[in-house]
Order: sequence, then C-alpha cells, then structure tokens
Amino acid sequence: GAVVSQHPSRVICKSGTSVKIECRSLDFQATTMFWYRQFPKQSLMLMATSNEGSKATYEQGVEKDKFLINHASLTLSTLTVTSAHPEDSSFYICSALSWLNQPQHFGDGTRLSIL
Amino acid sequence: KQEVTQIPAALSVPEGENLVLNCSFTDSAIYNLQWFRQDPGKGLTSLLLIQSSQREQTSGRLNASLDKSSGRSTLYIAASQPGDSATYLCAVTSNAGGTSYGKLTFGQGTILTVHP
Repeated sequence: GAVVSQHPSRVICKSGTSVKIECRSLDFQATTMFWYRQFPKQSLMLMATSNEGSKATYEQGVEKDKFLINHASLTLSTLTVTSAHPEDSSFYICSALSWLNQPQHFGDGTRLSIL
Repeated sequence: KQEVTQIPAALSVPEGENLVLNCSFTDSAIYNLQWFRQDPGKGLTSLLLIQSSQREQTSGRLNASLDKSSGRSTLYIAASQPGDSATYLCAVTSNAGGTSYGKLTFGQGTILTVHP
C-alpha cells in the first residue's frame, strides 16, 4: 500500500534552533501534502496545505514565517520550524494525497521537544 | 463550517465483543469520509474510505456505513481483539475545491480499549 515516510521521528534541541522535518511519498506522486500539529489527547489541527511548485496555504492563526513549508517535488515536502521555542514543542504529522477519491496517507509523525 | 463529532469519547470492552463507533458531521456536502486508526505516538493509518455516493465499505472485521443525508457514519468492529486498542478518528473531505482541495475535518476521536 501507499507509504509516507516522515523524518526525523524525534527531535530534541535547544531554544532558538531551526528544525527541518521531511515528508516523502515513497511509491506515489502527491499532488497535495498537508502538515498537522497534534497536542496531547487532542485531534489533529491542520497547519497548512502544500502543493508542488507553489506557495503553501496556511490556516488562520498559523505563522507562515515561523513554519516554513517547501514542496519542491511531487514526492517531498518539508516543514521548517524556525527559531523554535518551548511552546513549539508538539507532535507534527504530515499527510499526502494523490487524487481526491483516494485515501489520504499519513507519516508516522515527528515528536519535537524544545528545551 | 464543517464540524465532526465522535461518540463515545472512550470505550472499554472485553475481547470478542462487537462494537460500534459513531461519527456525525454538520454539512452533508462531503466528497468522502475516512476512518483512521492512531496508535500512541504514531501517525494515522487509513482503515476505510467511503465516497459520498457509497453506503458502506468493508475490510476484514471492519465495516463502515455512511448516511450522507443525515450526516452520520458508523464504524462496526466485529469480534474485537486487544490489538484493536487505539484511537479511532473519523474525517470528512468537504465538497470544495480551490484551497480546500483534499482538506480533512477530523472528529476528536474515540479511544478504544479491548481487554483480554
């Protein structure tokens, strides 16, 4: 079945560091990729929608200069958390979609901890 | 604005029981509905996808139904096993294009515990 690889699975770093998370669709081309944030015991909160070759569309309240998204190819999107602070600590999950009538496939998530 | 609600929030059952998880959505103009499973500290695994024109989908011990007009879906799990313990999430794709293409609206999930 379709596989989405998300890397790294866990990051622990100091405040002020920028962290890059990669999301790859391994066996299909993703027309659209999505980035979510999940707080403990809560559902997923959509941060932004990413389309190959165009600027990401951010949800209301999400700082685009804080969370930089690049979608350079049909199989790779990256999320960079710039100058991370402890309040950015969270579980970040990506998903990839080929066509609207197909299931959306999710990565295994990245646990980000900012000290 | 689409809102998705799942009940119950948590469910604990003994192994072997058949069980039903419920999902409701406020806007019936959906493109499809998906059920996902999430294990602790992991991403989501797609279980079943029901297109808006379909009434149900089956995969193994799982059966999902969709009543679009009433805004409801159910996930039926037959002969539950301890390995079924996880959070189950329902999500709908609204019938909208442009910047809403493919966007999922999630329910809060049902935490299922199946004990031996």
